[in-house]
Amino acid sequence: VQVVQSGAEVKETGASVKVSCKTSGYNFIAYDIHWVRQAPGQGPQWMGSINPSNGVATFAQKFEGRVTMTRDTAITTANMELRRLEPDDTAIYYCVTSTGFWAFHYWGQGTRVTVSS
Amino acid sequence: QSALTQPASVSGSPGQSIAISCTGTGSDVGRSNFVSWYQQHPGKAPKLLIFEVNRRPSGISDRFSGSKSGNTASLTISGLQGEDEADYFCTSHTTGNTLILFGGGTKLTVL
Repeated sequence: VQVVQSGAEVKETGASVKVSCKTSGYNFIAYDIHWVRQAPGQGPQWMGSINPSNGVATFAQKFEGRVTMTRDTAITTANMELRRLEPDDTAIYYCVTSTGFWAFHYWGQGTRVTVSS
Repeated sequence: QSALTQPASVSGSPGQSIAISCTGTGSDVGRSNFVSWYQQHPGKAPKLLIFEVNRRPSGISDRFSGSKSGNTASLTISGLQGEDEADYFCTSHTTGNTLILFGGGTKLTVL
């Protein structure tokens, strides 16, 4: 299983960022894909997840209304877009595949997003 | 919802055993068997060590074990090795709006 994310981004306050996640080595529609972020010096934070088989996404309340999660089954890729960025959104964003049990089995390398004021 | 509570740091000597606690509430750790533990080396993505409280994924050493009592889960590392020096995080499924909670992380130092 491989999970490869898009490259680092630098954005200004108020902008949006889209992070993509290309997966391979397993049946893409079989397992949920989660997005987790980790701000500098802090513990990780769950943002939400998407069921690749039907495209239904579930978000943490903190991000409701500001995040969109999509997938493209033809190219086994998932995407996460976060809008109305603030400096507090500066973090490493991880795409993670879960094979069940609410555990995060396969992690991408992370995408650093820096938001400047 | 608040993050799960972990000690900021623990330490041990090579060959010793240490335990890291992860305290939640009756809405998460206390009622869920979906408790996991992760190891994270600096600059690297986390790695799954334990899932469903005490199950190890294929390839994870049996020096790592998990348990739970009430609202507190624990990760025990036996036979400490230098390579175990890392940050460790717990997670738990929760009934709240944020379906997964993370612990704040514990830095393990191998003396």
